[in-house]
Amino acid sequence: RKEVEQDPGPFNVPEGATVAFNCTYSNSASQSFFWYRQDCRKEPKLLMSVYSSGNEDGRFTAQLNRASQYISLLIRDSKLSDSATYLCVVRPGGSYIPTFGRGTSLIVHP
Amino acid sequence: DVKVTQSSRYLVKRTGEKVFLECVQDMDHENMFWYRQDPGLGLRLIYFSYDVKMKEKGDIPEGYSVSREKKERFSLILESASTNQTSMYLCASSLAQSYISNQPQHFGDGTRLSIL
Repeated sequence: RKEVEQDPGPFNVPEGATVAFNCTYSNSASQSFFWYRQDCRKEPKLLMSVYSSGNEDGRFTAQLNRASQYISLLIRDSKLSDSATYLCVVRPGGSYIPTFGRGTSLIVHP
Repeated sequence: DVKVTQSSRYLVKRTGEKVFLECVQDMDHENMFWYRQDPGLGLRLIYFSYDVKMKEKGDIPEGYSVSREKKERFSLILESASTNQTSMYLCASSLAQSYISNQPQHFGDGTRLSIL
């Protein structure tokens, strides 16, 4: 079983739609969680950290479910510019080394 | 704002050459990392360093070495380049960890390396 699993997609949605991605992780000692966005042929960029109580940044909402060992990302009112690959990142407590999922591809069309 | 700078965006080298990829960060981060990213395989960790002159192997260190003589600079070296090392190379840095810290990694722009 992969340590961090994501549905590769692509998720193909119209502008204005709401879309959600999940990411499951296998290491119960995981303490830090992040969502990154990666555009084609570019570097990953931090989208948001994920906190235990859940957090929101504009149209983006991240949730953590420790009992079921998954994190989620919800994007409301999708824009064309949201088209990208979204990487889930998980890191065990006290470790320098994060584990990256392989990413979920999102395509927002007019 | 954190700035991680990689020396080249695109690089073309020949098989057997010794190749140096340089990475500099300006935020006094303790940790630095080198990854390669290939289609369908995601990000794979080559080496990381948690302090000057300290280095640890990642998942795929074979054929690579690293150097960290100064805190801000982390170099990746391909000892004798081969065609299977053609890839996107990404450098990242982060602050040292604590149990309650949620410090993310910050990435450079990447170097697209082609070995002919």
